[in-house]
Amino acid sequence: DAGITQSPRHKVTETGTPVTLRCHQTENHRYMYWYRQDPGHGLRLIHYSYGVKDTDKGEVSDGYSVSRSKTEDFLLTLESATSSQTSVYFCAISPGTVWGYGYTFGSGTRLTVV
Amino acid sequence: DQQVKQNSPSLSVQEGRISILNCDYTNSMFDYFLWYKKYPAEGPTFLISISSIKDKNEDGRFTVFLNKSAKHLSLHIVPSQPGDSAVYFCAASMYNNNDMRFGAGTRLTVKP
Repeated sequence: DAGITQSPRHKVTETGTPVTLRCHQTENHRYMYWYRQDPGHGLRLIHYSYGVKDTDKGEVSDGYSVSRSKTEDFLLTLESATSSQTSVYFCAISPGTVWGYGYTFGSGTRLTVV
Repeated sequence: DQQVKQNSPSLSVQEGRISILNCDYTNSMFDYFLWYKKYPAEGPTFLISISSIKDKNEDGRFTVFLNKSAKHLSLHIVPSQPGDSAVYFCAASMYNNNDMRFGAGTRLTVKP
């Protein structure tokens, strides 16, 4: 989607290394989210942000941290990557809470931890 | 704890026929439900939603039905088209809550 971009699109990293994924939006939406998609689990929320410097944990937050220093950017950091964090990561944005809004998702980052 | 379940991993239908995708949920506090469609190498795209005060919502070829007593919702696509071939995710949320829960997805294949 033109209003939201994720980088990188693909990444291979080694176990134990830190990794940062970036989500950038041009819609000026208040809410930003990080999800991971795994077979058999659908999408699961990692962290979300409801404003600059305002973040909260989701269902699967262990091993991840986030930062939002500007409205347009939301960073997801894997502090010490493990093989269980091999997944496809999606960023999403919305102007309000999910009620009344469907999220807009980015195209995803495929992360492989070897 | 999978609070939203899509028990059919795949569904195949003929072009022009009806596609029915099903979703069950366990948390009675959910009051807003959504369907997303996902093509390979793309992010999910919002398709249609329904709140718990309704039992049906229609948008063109897509209709979502909600049965609160059974904690069940379904997505009907009529008529199905080959371009509808994708993975469909059911999702649920509570009012003013940002933790939207997704099902595992159903892969729909529409054969010409």
